[in-house]
Amino acid sequence: SQQGEEDPQALSIQEGENATMNCSYKTSINNLQWYRQNSGRGLVHLILIRSNEREKHSGRLRVTLDTSKKSSSLLITASRAADTASYFCATDAVGSGNTPLVFGKGTRLSVIA
Amino acid sequence: DTAVSQTPKYLVTQMGNDKSIKCEQNLGHDTMYWYKQDSKKFLKIMFSYNNKELIINETVPNRFSPKSPDKAHLNLHINSLELGDSAVYFCASSQVGTPGEKLFFGSGTQLSVL
Repeated sequence: SQQGEEDPQALSIQEGENATMNCSYKTSINNLQWYRQNSGRGLVHLILIRSNEREKHSGRLRVTLDTSKKSSSLLITASRAADTASYFCATDAVGSGNTPLVFGKGTRLSVIA
Repeated sequence: DTAVSQTPKYLVTQMGNDKSIKCEQNLGHDTMYWYKQDSKKFLKIMFSYNNKELIINETVPNRFSPKSPDKAHLNLHINSLELGDSAVYFCASSQVGTPGEKLFFGSGTQLSVL
């Protein structure tokens, strides 16, 4: 069954604003990753946060993880038109054996110039 | 110098036909995957291979047969194509194959079955 669920499904903001996307999951995880998918392209890894971490930064990206609520958020600060893409969270569930990452359905972000 | 490349990018075919999608990675990774992304953008694992050996075979119809001639290549052959096979298929690779590793994706093959 699907592990991660992103929220909202779609988000439209003005350039320069911050964009926040959320991900909820169902079972305990080893780590959670965020990926970006530009239209017509493959997914690109953005950031990985481990289950014992609460917050991580990478450039304009800030990821938080709350394992008690089984949720994560991705914040993109000072958004640019080039940030327009779909964003997916992916989880590595504890005890999943060889099963690779399980992806959510993504949040479609539109940044309007 | 694309890291994970798959061909073709677009594939339009009739129901009942047999088609193949090729994937190659030049990252030196041990593990390769096939994912299927449906029209709602849901990405689901189909297969994974580690050093040419099948590791994961999710509930995919027997009409789908992956083949890995070496660890840098993982091709997907689909027999007797059906309308429901229309989707975007992504090849990916990871360094070792440890669950939770970062994945590197190809740019996808959009398959349209008419």
